[in-house]
Amino acid sequence: GQNIDQPTEMTATEGAIVQINCTYQTSGFNGLFWYQQHAGEAPTFLSYNVLDGLEEKGRFSSFLSRSKGYSYLLLKELQMKDSASYLCAVRDSNYQLIWGAGTKLIIKP
Amino acid sequence: ETGVTQTPRHLVMGMTNKKSLKCEQHLGHNAMYWYKQSAKKPLELMFVYNFKEQTENNSVPSRFSPECPNSSHLFLHLHTLQPEDSALYLCASSQDDTSGSNTQYFGPGTRLTVL
Repeated sequence: GQNIDQPTEMTATEGAIVQINCTYQTSGFNGLFWYQQHAGEAPTFLSYNVLDGLEEKGRFSSFLSRSKGYSYLLLKELQMKDSASYLCAVRDSNYQLIWGAGTKLIIKP
Repeated sequence: ETGVTQTPRHLVMGMTNKKSLKCEQHLGHNAMYWYKQSAKKPLELMFVYNFKEQTENNSVPSRFSPECPNSSHLFLHLHTLQPEDSALYLCASSQDDTSGSNTQYFGPGTRLTVL
């Protein structure tokens, strides 16, 4: 079966750096997405990786290793507004998105 | 604002009621999706429409009935639901559903409670 694993919850301190990991086992691979979802709101797109390596977008970076079935989202200079759930999703060979259950990130002052 | 709107935002219904959820996208996309989001579970894809044609129905019970009259509007008709159907129902759209890099844009969801 297809599976996406990510930690259920993480806690970090304002101003610090946090890395949220995602491992996947899917039938085929056509890219990996990260979304941010604040409580009660829509998931919003953060990043897309299809080739190995690091993609940087301001305070957020996303890394992919296809051979290891592994990605991480790196958040730097954490702010209180970064408290949210972070969803990892992989597009499989049928172009369907397979979703992880999300990582709830709690930022403390 | 993501360009995808959903109404109502909250809905409480009894098991014998019939109600409909509405989704509208203002992004000029050709694919629209219904997802179910339950606490601490992955998003569950329910239905996909591409160019108004249903291309996916992930074994969803018949008490959920989708309708896509045009590329901008998507409905989810509900009848004789069960309490376990209580969840957040999310609508999303994308340019189409056949490209790897296609990003899905989500609406804010309808929080459904079935009594």
